[in-house]
Amino acid sequence: EPEVTQTPSHQVTQMGQEVILRCVPISNHLYFYWYRQILGQKVEFLVSFYNNEISEKSEIFDDQFSVERPDGSNFTLKIRSTKLEDSAMYFCASSDRAVSNQPQHFGDGTRLSIL
Amino acid sequence: AQKITQTQPGMFVQEKEAVTLDCTYDTSDPSYGLFWYKQPSSGEMIFLIYQGSYDQQNATEGRYSLNFQKARKSANLVISASQLGDSAMYFCACRDSASKIIFGSGTRLSIRP
Repeated sequence: EPEVTQTPSHQVTQMGQEVILRCVPISNHLYFYWYRQILGQKVEFLVSFYNNEISEKSEIFDDQFSVERPDGSNFTLKIRSTKLEDSAMYFCASSDRAVSNQPQHFGDGTRLSIL
Repeated sequence: AQKITQTQPGMFVQEKEAVTLDCTYDTSDPSYGLFWYKQPSSGEMIFLIYQGSYDQQNATEGRYSLNFQKARKSANLVISASQLGDSAMYFCACRDSASKIIFGSGTRLSIRP
């Protein structure tokens, strides 16, 4: 069964450094998402992306965050200058349609630790 | 705005018993989907089951079933014949005609042998 792939599985970064989290969505999917889960808390929506542009973003997704689809397969989340509070599990998800009856398929996540 | 409420932060169940995980939701959109995801200790999010707002019958998927009561805005997950491997965090989630999914705070299910 096709799956969403995320790399790396664990990233350790010094505060203030830039970090790029990578995702390869399911190949025929058109809608892409990033979510964040701080340890012990619920999963929070960050951003959705369709047709090479952001379609929706949450208040968490401030100017320090950006997303990009640099080629036909990768979808990246960049955090420009990391803060301690950016430590979390980051999930990439994709779906083939943006309708309510379609589940989003999640990757296994990247655990980001900011020191 | 959407809101998902899971009132059981943790549950303990004996192996082979059935368990019900509670979920209530609030959305103003008439068309929406309700989902349950399982998150084992390894961290990945596993899609379990889906219920559409216009579906007449409750969704079932193997040992999982969704008790959908639209008037009460509840979408409880029922796991029959629980197994040790069912021990995990379970999240109820809602997606309306906009694209994002909103998650509840989760229920940690522990299965006792």
